[in-house]
Amino acid sequence: EAAVTQSPRNKVAVTGGKVTLSCNQTNNHNNMYWYRQDTGHGLRLIHYSYGAGSTEKGDIPDGYKASRPSQENFSLILELATPSQTSVYFCASGDAGQNNERLFFGHGTKLSVL
Amino acid sequence: QQKVQQSPESLSVPEGGMASLNCTSSDRNFQYFWWYRQHSGEGPKALMSIFSDGDKKEGRFTAHLNKASLHVSLHIRDSQPSDSALYFCAGGNMGYKLTFGTGTSLLVDP
Repeated sequence: EAAVTQSPRNKVAVTGGKVTLSCNQTNNHNNMYWYRQDTGHGLRLIHYSYGAGSTEKGDIPDGYKASRPSQENFSLILELATPSQTSVYFCASGDAGQNNERLFFGHGTKLSVL
Repeated sequence: QQKVQQSPESLSVPEGGMASLNCTSSDRNFQYFWWYRQHSGEGPKALMSIFSDGDKKEGRFTAHLNKASLHVSLHIRDSQPSDSALYFCAGGNMGYKLTFGTGTSLLVDP
């Protein structure tokens, strides 16, 4: 079973502060994703990456940056956190070799911006 | 407009009963669909995918796809309390990232 680890599990931040959410996967998957989950919206894609050094904008990228320094690690960065970014964030990895890509999710990071 | 719409929002079935979840897409670019399940406090976990018209059965779970109407359903036979979770439908295509619906919350009463 693919392993995706997120840190921290919980985070409280102040408005205007910088927040970095980290994700590590040990399955050598090329693709990695950041989603946020909010009631009534399901899972929405923020940023994704095809491999080390690449980042792409998803459906809701505004206010977020991403960094993929290595195959294993993918970070989500909130430079100036706002209360509207309070949410649960999920990282996922996927095997780019499959036409029907299956995603493996981490346990999530609950972020509260006060 | 949400590209993947799920119904109902919530569903309650007795233990041993049949749970039926529905999903409709407005995007004809989707070539396959996934069902994911999320237990409370965890990340979503893939259940099964379907890309051909008709039924696909895996144990107690049966997915059905009608490409003409872009309707997907998931049927859970002999529902167990451990099946209580949030279920997501997601549409995908080669070159497209998965688009998730808003989810159906299933409660199986013991």
